[in-house]
Amino acid sequence: GIQVEQSPPDLILQEGANSTLRCNFSDSVNNLQWFHQNPWGQLINLFYIPSGTKQNGRLSATTVATERYSLLYISSSQTTDSGVYFCAVSDGANNLFFGTGTRLTVIP
Amino acid sequence: GAVVSQHPSRVICKSGTSVKIECRSLDFQATTMFWYRQFPKQSLMLMATSNEGSKATYEQGVEKDKFLINHASLTLSTLTVTSAHPEDSSFYICSARGGGGDPYGYTFGSGTRLTVV
Repeated sequence: GIQVEQSPPDLILQEGANSTLRCNFSDSVNNLQWFHQNPWGQLINLFYIPSGTKQNGRLSATTVATERYSLLYISSSQTTDSGVYFCAVSDGANNLFFGTGTRLTVIP
Repeated sequence: GAVVSQHPSRVICKSGTSVKIECRSLDFQATTMFWYRQFPKQSLMLMATSNEGSKATYEQGVEKDKFLINHASLTLSTLTVTSAHPEDSSFYICSARGGGGDPYGYTFGSGTRLTVV
């Protein structure tokens, strides 16, 4: 399967700070999604973004498919943003392969 | 929006017994469902892909006789962990995808935390 790596693995932010999370993938992909996993394990879809840039409130994402990476931007972070952020990509069979995750902790 | 219901959310079983986990798509038909396993503080690992009416496709290293998958209808897939052992303790998550090929269609269940004692 496709290899997906995320950085940084851990991130601690002061409330109000901005951050950038990165996702690198090893092969061409059909699509890419960013998820937030809350403390209870539920995966929440943030973006479907195989290419280009999207924004949703304080979050935005950019994928450069030709260079095989995607970035997730979090602005004005809040304590409720804490959790693990995963990017996941699909291959030709449309199976989702997850990255290694970034564990974000936002402190008040 | 699409909703996937997964049950049970938490189960404790004795070593040697079998446990069944259900994954249902509540408001859409899912021709394809996916089962993932997640160890503490690790990423999700795809275990298998189940297709309605046909055999599941297992990822390399996943024992198909250990993790039985059945996708008998367009709204239900089940994962049965047979003869469970403590090393099978993990967080299992299912995902469903609609038959229309909608790339937005990956919806996840809330997960099942299995503890084998």
